[in-house]
Amino acid sequence: SYELTQPPSVSVSPGQTARITCSGDALPIQYVYWYQQRPGQAPVVVLYRDSERPSGIPERFSGSRSGSTVTLTISGVLAEDEADYYCQSSDSSNTYRLFGGGTKLTVL
Amino acid sequence: QVQLVESGGGLVKPGGSLRLSCAASGFTFSDYYMSWIRQAPGKGLEWISYISSSGSVKQYADSVKGRFVISRDNAKNSLDLHMSRLGAEDTATYYCAREPSIVFEYYFDSWGQGTPVTVSS
Repeated sequence: SYELTQPPSVSVSPGQTARITCSGDALPIQYVYWYQQRPGQAPVVVLYRDSERPSGIPERFSGSRSGSTVTLTISGVLAEDEADYYCQSSDSSNTYRLFGGGTKLTVL
Repeated sequence: QVQLVESGGGLVKPGGSLRLSCAASGFTFSDYYMSWIRQAPGKGLEWISYISSSGSVKQYADSVKGRFVISRDNAKNSLDLHMSRLGAEDTATYYCAREPSIVFEYYFDSWGQGTPVTVSS
């Protein structure tokens, strides 16, 4: 079965840059979307179409891709960015929606 | 503004059934695909089903196929999930989510706050 792989955790100090990767076999032909989920809250999309920010999402959130790996970058991390981050995409036939396992971002 | 409100969650015995509902407002419901996504306690997100804007196309994750049925009533702006043969592995918070009506872009731009389902004897 198709999977999206994320690191379980990433830790950075305030003001540093956090990078969270997402890899999967179908990613070269599929967009990736990123969600932030704070404790007790519903997820919120922070990037769509690999690197586009919805209105209201700070510029410090950006996205990039290289082959079958897509990266969410948070520049100048703030304490409020501490959350779980999930990548999401579809299988190659666009039949199923898929989430990565999630990455817990800790701001030290 | 877009609002999605889930209801119907609760405690159910193993092997039992439950129906979840999602009331939509603030947008033209009949224009959008809708999905159900769940999150087991302390675990990640799991997409489980989507339904097309007209209701003619439905898809399920393998984990729920044959046990869950998604449906919608565009006249009432509502989305349902009928769950049967529930097991402990179905214990989760269930979210309904909207997919933007953009071709080849399958993601979730609005979410409800979720409704918890606990399967236990």
